Amino acid sequence: GQSLEQPSEVTAVEGAIVQINCTYQTSGFYGLSWYQQHDGGAPTFLSYNALDGLEETGRFSSFLSRSDSYGYLLLQELQMKDSASYFCATGSSASKIIFGSGTRLSIRP
Amino acid sequence: KAGVTQTPRYLIKTRGQQVTLSCSPISGHRSVSWYQQTPGQGLQFLFEYFSETQRNKGNFPGRFSGRQFSNSRSEMNVSTLELGDSALYLCASSLGDRERHEQFFGPGTRLTVL
Repeated sequence: GQSLEQPSEVTAVEGAIVQINCTYQTSGFYGLSWYQQHDGGAPTFLSYNALDGLEETGRFSSFLSRSDSYGYLLLQELQMKDSASYFCATGSSASKIIFGSGTRLSIRP
Repeated sequence: KAGVTQTPRYLIKTRGQQVTLSCSPISGHRSVSWYQQTPGQGLQFLFEYFSETQRNKGNFPGRFSGRQFSNSRSEMNVSTLELGDSALYLCASSLGDRERHEQFFGPGTRLTVL
């Protein structure tokens, strides 16, 4: 089957660094995207990795290793406003967009 | 540039009824996708439309259908509503096929089935 696995919850301290992992299994692979969703809000696009390596966008970075079918989202200098759910997503050979079940990030002062 | 809009934002229906949800994508975006989001199942892909054609469909029963108009606006319809259809329905648009990895989501329609 096609699936993306990510931890359901992660807790971190304000100002620290946190990594949210995502492993995937798809019949085709079209890169890995990351989205943020605050409670009551809509998902918003954060980052995309088409190729192996690290993509940096401000305090957020995303990494992909296609050989390991693995990626992660790295959040640095955590702020309370970063408390949200984070989803990894990919397209498949059937052109469906598949989302992981989401990781709820809680940040403590 | 205006974002993705969805109407209505909230809807309450009873079992057996049908419902139509509307989505207006960002101007210039030709691809529209629909998702169902529930606490237990996360974001589930319903279908995607591109230039008025359904390109793909998720694993949902035939009660769920949709269409896209020439101006890229899209509607989805759910017939014979069931309690389990209660969810947040999200619409997302992207510029085209090569930009499907970056989707812009609307605020969603919260459907409650009683």
